[in-house]
Amino acid sequence: DAGVIQSPRHEVTEMGQEVTLRCKPISGHDYLFWYRQTMMRGLELLIYFNNNVPIDDSGMPEDRFSAKMPNASFSTLKIQPSEPRDSAVYFCASSLARGELQPQHFGDGTRLSIL
Amino acid sequence: TQLLEQSPQFLSIQEGENLTVYCNSSSVFSSLQWYRQEPGEGPVLLVTVVTGGEVKKLKRLTFQFGDARKDSSLHITAAQPGDTGLYLCAGPEKGSGSARQLTFGSGTQLTVLP
Repeated sequence: DAGVIQSPRHEVTEMGQEVTLRCKPISGHDYLFWYRQTMMRGLELLIYFNNNVPIDDSGMPEDRFSAKMPNASFSTLKIQPSEPRDSAVYFCASSLARGELQPQHFGDGTRLSIL
Repeated sequence: TQLLEQSPQFLSIQEGENLTVYCNSSSVFSSLQWYRQEPGEGPVLLVTVVTGGEVKKLKRLTFQFGDARKDSSLHITAAQPGDTGLYLCAGPEKGSGSARQLTFGSGTQLTVLP
């Protein structure tokens, strides 16, 4: 079975540019999560979706960040304009709906560097 | 937000040694999960503990959930270089109901030297 697929794996861009991160969740999973990981703050939840609907975006840092899930097999996280402090590893994860004990399956992340 | 504190933050040991890492909170969790993250990859679930006092074993790894369900520990026996990684504990966010929103600890970075 294919796991969660994220692209690109690495992104280096100059501040002020628009950045789009992509995620394909595991087929059949009802929940999709976007996380950001840094040394200072660890793994932080940015936003999550249930059945393509955003449920909680309280972790999104500011209006420069936006996320969409147009269908069950695709989601994007966009940063516009990007800033050096956005540099981090961004993870997408998906899980099934039934029961709180379901594991979250993570992609391998996108390492983002804003110069 | 419920906080999960992990200790130690960093741990470097020789192959063959035993170690224990901890995950503590002032809040009660209905369950806790342990993940391991290797460089360049996302976290991967190792185990879920549900019942206070529960002990689960996964080969050389032993996981325990505290009686009051506020803490958990991970003990590794005879550590091997392949155990190197970032160990994260995570618990469901209180009030998230069926949302399955997780709170992650800050992690323990384990390095096992050959």
